[in-house]
Amino acid sequence: DAKTTQPPSMDCAEGRAANLPCNHSTISGNEYVYWYRQIHSQGPQYIIHGLKNNETNEMASLIITEDRKSSTLILPHATLRDTAVYYCIVSPMNYGGSQGNLIFGKGTKLSVKP
Amino acid sequence: DSGVTQTPKHLITATGQRVTLRCSPRSGDLSVYWYQQSLDQGLQFLIQYYNGEERAKGNILERFSAQQFPDLHSELNLSSLELGDSALYFCASSVETSETQYFGPGTRLLVL
Repeated sequence: DAKTTQPPSMDCAEGRAANLPCNHSTISGNEYVYWYRQIHSQGPQYIIHGLKNNETNEMASLIITEDRKSSTLILPHATLRDTAVYYCIVSPMNYGGSQGNLIFGKGTKLSVKP
Repeated sequence: DSGVTQTPKHLITATGQRVTLRCSPRSGDLSVYWYQQSLDQGLQFLIQYYNGEERAKGNILERFSAQQFPDLHSELNLSSLELGDSALYFCASSVETSETQYFGPGTRLLVL
């Protein structure tokens, strides 16, 4: 089972920031928080990941609380093309270890409206 | 474009048949993962290969098998197909196990 909890759906106005929350209260010390999104039936697209510190890249920002029990993905200026299902996943960084598969939950369906 | 390629894009076949799905990982990636996405089950991990060897198994049926070849491409074989096998099948690759995975565009399988 997925170790994360996300709201099933959210709306956002075009041009505004979209803030997608995720709860992962049972996260372990060696687990990263990953965000992927899936636009319609395309392959999941990697967005960002982090361990403790906040992270930013060209797509989004990731804010992780100090206790690491929750995080927020921020799309700073949402466009219609950002309409997708967003998945928050915790995954161990066990370099060279035996298991690296991702466990997807139901995600958050983000609808960006004009 | 993630750099992961999958063929074919679409596949229509009949129950009882066998099909092969192909995946080419990103250049330099050693690990390949297969996932199945059906309407009622969401995205589920099937199997992982690393540098030609099976590394992890998920909810993969005995009728399904996979392999990774010396050139690192992978094939997923689905046999004795049933209506319920209709789904999207995604391949992902990563440099090493537990590194960031990049997904291909998927193969849509329809079993009639």
